[in-house]
Amino acid sequence: NAGVTQTPKFQVLKTGQSMTLQCAQDMNHNSMYWYRQDPGMGLRLIYYSASEGTTDKGEVPNGYNVSRLNKREFSLRLESAAPSQTSVYFCASRTSSYNSPLHFGNGTRLTVT
Amino acid sequence: QQPVQSPQAVILREGEDAVINCSSSKALYSVHWYRQKHGEAPVFLMILLKGGEQKGHEKISASFNEKKQQSSLYLTASQLSYSGTYFCGTGGQRGNEKLTFGTGTRLTIIP
Repeated sequence: NAGVTQTPKFQVLKTGQSMTLQCAQDMNHNSMYWYRQDPGMGLRLIYYSASEGTTDKGEVPNGYNVSRLNKREFSLRLESAAPSQTSVYFCASRTSSYNSPLHFGNGTRLTVT
Repeated sequence: QQPVQSPQAVILREGEDAVINCSSSKALYSVHWYRQKHGEAPVFLMILLKGGEQKGHEKISASFNEKKQQSSLYLTASQLSYSGTYFCGTGGQRGNEKLTFGTGTRLTIIP
């Protein structure tokens, strides 16, 4: 049982390049999330998807786009990477219930030079 | 808005107790607590719900004050394995899937 799988684990981009972070879960969860983690800032919500076909902005959505491809997959795209987007990105999922816990992936460490 | 956690960091000797606080400027319906070890993903500890229900699986307790929009995590007789960064997450009411985390509290347990 893999849980939440994120790819890649590490990535280095140059300013202006684009890339897509992939996330897939095999727990039949309806809700999926993207967070970024920076020192001293905690976990900040970028986007979330309450169900297949829906996405909503979180606290820091600027510079990002998301796609809920199907129930399993939720991707995060950086169209034109900036150094301020250097961060560790976590994908998470849970059942559609406000009293259910998040299951996190192992993260993607992204550096933009 | 992110919930506010305090303290930002604390150092304890093994066996001592710790309290981590989480407060929100918005009405709370659920509070999640997670622990993150360095270089790893956050791991679920506990959920507290409006009305008093709790869900968790470790020897850690917590409280939820709906009127004050606050929650506290209690770590008693701390062990070395308790070291890490603790995050509280606040959610909306039933049907609202948004979950926002605080800035974290770094807990260091020394022998």
